[in-house]
Amino acid sequence: GAVVSQHPSWVICKSGTSVKIECRSLDFQATTMFWYRQFPKQSLMLMATSNEGSKATYEQGVEKDKFLINHASLTLSTLTVTSAHPEDSSFYICSAPAAGGDTDTQYFGPGTRLTVL
Amino acid sequence: AQKITQTQPGMFVQEKEAVTLDCTYDTSDPSYGLFWYKQPSSGEMIFLIYQGSYDQQNATEGRYSLNFQKARKSANLVISASQLGDSAMYFCAMREGPMNRDDKIIFGKGTRLHILP
Repeated sequence: GAVVSQHPSWVICKSGTSVKIECRSLDFQATTMFWYRQFPKQSLMLMATSNEGSKATYEQGVEKDKFLINHASLTLSTLTVTSAHPEDSSFYICSAPAAGGDTDTQYFGPGTRLTVL
Repeated sequence: AQKITQTQPGMFVQEKEAVTLDCTYDTSDPSYGLFWYKQPSSGEMIFLIYQGSYDQQNATEGRYSLNFQKARKSANLVISASQLGDSAMYFCAMREGPMNRDDKIIFGKGTRLHILP
């Protein structure tokens, strides 16, 4: 299957700092990528849709100025958590739909665990 | 209203037994796709199986099969001959609209499956 990577896999930062998370499609191009966050023992909640070459589409209730998304190329989307606070601590996971094949699905990155002190 | 409902927060099953994980969905769109993902403790999301709303036959992938009952709007996952490695969180998910790999996927709350030796 298609491979999606994320970097870093985990990060610990102080409150008030900004953290950038990268999502890369390694062997395919993705004009669209999706960013989710997952709190412990909960489901994945879609935060935003990242669109290559245009602005991201945010889900209701997600602050676009706090969670900056940039889709710089067909293989890279970044999520920047600005002025992070402890309540932003979560598991952030990206996904990308894979072109080709006979299965309509999306492939997920391994996730990034953010801890804000 | 919830689009995806998984009524079993947790299940315990004896190794080698078959297990059925329930999923019901809600949509008025005649075209949609249904997915099952597995999330082990490592956090990665592993794609298991896909069913399109117009697919005539139930999807199967190895030990996984999807019991698709369109009129009841249910898409239960059946795992045959369960193994200890099947212990994980399982998410049912849906994409609304015609098959387009750029569309977002919405997740249910998940079912935590424990396989007992």
